[in-house]
Amino acid sequence: GQNIDQPTEMTATEGAIVQINCTYQTSGFNGLFWYQQHAGEAPTFLSYNVLDGLEEKGRFSSFLSRSKGYSYLLLKELQMKDSASYLCAVRDSSPFEGGYNKLIFGAGTRLAVHP
Amino acid sequence: DVKVTQSSRYLVKRTGEKVFLECVQDMDHENMFWYRQDPGLGLRLIYFSYDVKMKEKGDIPEGYSVSREKKERFSLILESASTNQTSMYLCASSLPRQGIHEQYFGPGTRLTVT
Repeated sequence: GQNIDQPTEMTATEGAIVQINCTYQTSGFNGLFWYQQHAGEAPTFLSYNVLDGLEEKGRFSSFLSRSKGYSYLLLKELQMKDSASYLCAVRDSSPFEGGYNKLIFGAGTRLAVHP
Repeated sequence: DVKVTQSSRYLVKRTGEKVFLECVQDMDHENMFWYRQDPGLGLRLIYFSYDVKMKEKGDIPEGYSVSREKKERFSLILESASTNQTSMYLCASSLPRQGIHEQYFGPGTRLTVT
C-alpha cells in the first residue's frame, strides 16, 4: 500500500533550526515535494527532490534518500511566520491517462514557532 | 503568478442538497485536481482532469462527480450531500509535464453539511 509518515506536531524557538522528517512506502517513486500551508490558506510549493542528496533554497533545505524511503525538510533561522503545516508528498510512478503521475500526501506536520 | 480561485471560502449545505464547487485557474494549465483535506488524513485526491472533458477518478471519487467544459474551469459536484462530506476542499492546477512542475492550489472551500 501507499504510506507516508510525518510527525503530527513540532515546536521550536525563533532563530533555531528544525528538521521535519518524512518516511514513505509507496509502490513507485518519481519525486518528492514539500509544501507549506498556513492555517486557512492554500498549500504553497517549497521544494522538490528526485535524486538523492540535499537541495538548498535560502533558509530551507530538503534531503532525500531513495534507498531508505526518507526525506527531511530543514528550516534554519526560524521566524514566527514559519509557523505552519508542512506537507510531504510523493509522486507515484504509475501514470494516469494523459501521462500525469499523482501525488500522495502525508497528513502534514504542524510546526509552532515561539519566541 | 499562477492564480487558482475557488468560488466560496465557506459553504453550509443541508443533507441531500446538490452542491457545486467551482475552481478557475488563469495560467492555461492542462491539469486540474480536486482534493479534500481532513485532519490526520492529509490531502486525498477525488478527481483529476488532464484536458477539457477528460477526467480520471482519484482515490475517493464515491459521492462526487466533476465537470470540465472549459480549460480554465473545473467543477466538483456533490450529487446528494452527506454529513461525511463535511471537509475542506482544495482545487489545484499544474502543467502536464513531469519534473518540478508542482501543483498550484486554490485557497480552499470549507464545506459543512448539516
